[in-house]
Parts: sequence; structure tokens; C-alpha cells
Amino acid sequence: DAKTTQPNSMESNEEEPVHLPCNHSTISGTDYIHWYRQLPSQGPEYVIHGLTSNVNNRMASLAIAEDRKSSTLILHRATLRDAAVYYCILRDIGLNSGYALNFGKGTSLLVTP
Amino acid sequence: DAMVIQNPRYQVTQFGKPVTLSCSQTLNHNVMYWYQQKSSQAPKLLFHYYDKDFNNEADTPDNFQSRRPNTSFCFLDIRSPGLGDAAMYLCATSRQQGLGTDTQYFGPGTRLTVL
Repeated sequence: DAKTTQPNSMESNEEEPVHLPCNHSTISGTDYIHWYRQLPSQGPEYVIHGLTSNVNNRMASLAIAEDRKSSTLILHRATLRDAAVYYCILRDIGLNSGYALNFGKGTSLLVTP
Repeated sequence: DAMVIQNPRYQVTQFGKPVTLSCSQTLNHNVMYWYQQKSSQAPKLLFHYYDKDFNNEADTPDNFQSRRPNTSFCFLDIRSPGLGDAAMYLCATSRQQGLGTDTQYFGPGTRLTVL
């Protein structure tokens, strides 16, 4: 399985944009890039996913590099509620990723007032 | 509005005393999953159901069993909990089984303490 690499932790000020990076240099052409987050004492929560083009939804934006070897999750205005562990996960378009989400270590985002 | 519901949120049991955790969903999804998350670790899949078909992960201990009596409900049974089974147990659902475009929806989890 293609692996992802994320920084262990990042810090942001409230109401500022946050850019969370993810490296996936061995990504295959059929891997989707998913982002989930887990708030303290909660279950993980889906954030966004994409294949090649940049994606936007109400929670965040996903910017995917042209060579797809890296991606960035963008929170446009961080709030205290966005403090969580953010996971970048690759999922094959078919069934080759298996059934489990491979969460890895993720990035712990701290948001300060 | 809760879509994946887990009860109870906190469960305390004694060493060796069987315990059952429950999960229900209002999404009518085909697939239901159980993950175990130990302190400061990432969630780890124990098993999942695709409709009535049970799929066990290779390294899930026999101590862990599951039942899915209908589409909406799924149970996790721990036959003889040990101290090492203390963890957060997460239930999740998805429409499809393992497809790259599918999303998993998680419940809030049940935190299990073993005394």
C-alpha cells in the first residue's frame, strides 16, 4: 500500500487559514486521497476526498499537486473547534485498499485564541 | 440527527466479565465496522459486516465477536475482557465495501474500562 507522511503537529491562530500537508510519493494512479479528522474524545469524521483536481466543500479545500505526490488540506478560517488530529489516507478506486481505513499517525492541530 | 449511535458512551467491566457494546445506524448502509482505538494510537479495524456477511481481520483475537441481527444494529461482544482490551471502540458504516470513493461514518465511540 502507498504510504502517507504528515507532520506530527501544527499550530495555528484562531481565524487564520491552516495548510495541512501530506506527502504520498508512491501514490498510484487509482488512489483517492481522503482526509478525516478526529476531535478529542470523538469518533473520526470525514472531511474531504479527491483524485486529481482540487476539491472544495463546506468544511475545507483539498489542493492536490499536479504530480499527485503531495496534497494539502486547507482550513480557510481555523476555529477552536478545528483542533483535532487530521489523517491523510489513500484509498484505491477498487477494492485493493482493503476494508480498513489506514489512519497512520496523522497531524495534531492546535488552535490558539 | 445522529446517524451512527453507540451505547453506552462509557462502559466499565471487570476482568473476565463478558461485555457487549452496541451500535445502531439510521443511514441504511450495507457495511458496518468495528474499530479498536487504544490510547494515543490510531483506530484499528477488528471486523466488519457487509450485509449479513461477517469479515474478520486476520489479527483480531478470538475474544472479540460480533453480531448483526438486522441492517440497523451491530453488536461487539468481548467474551473475557483483559486489561489490554481497555480502549475506545468505534463503530462505523459505509454504503459500499472498501471502494476508494466511499466514506465511512463513525459513531462517537464507547470507552471501555476494565478493572
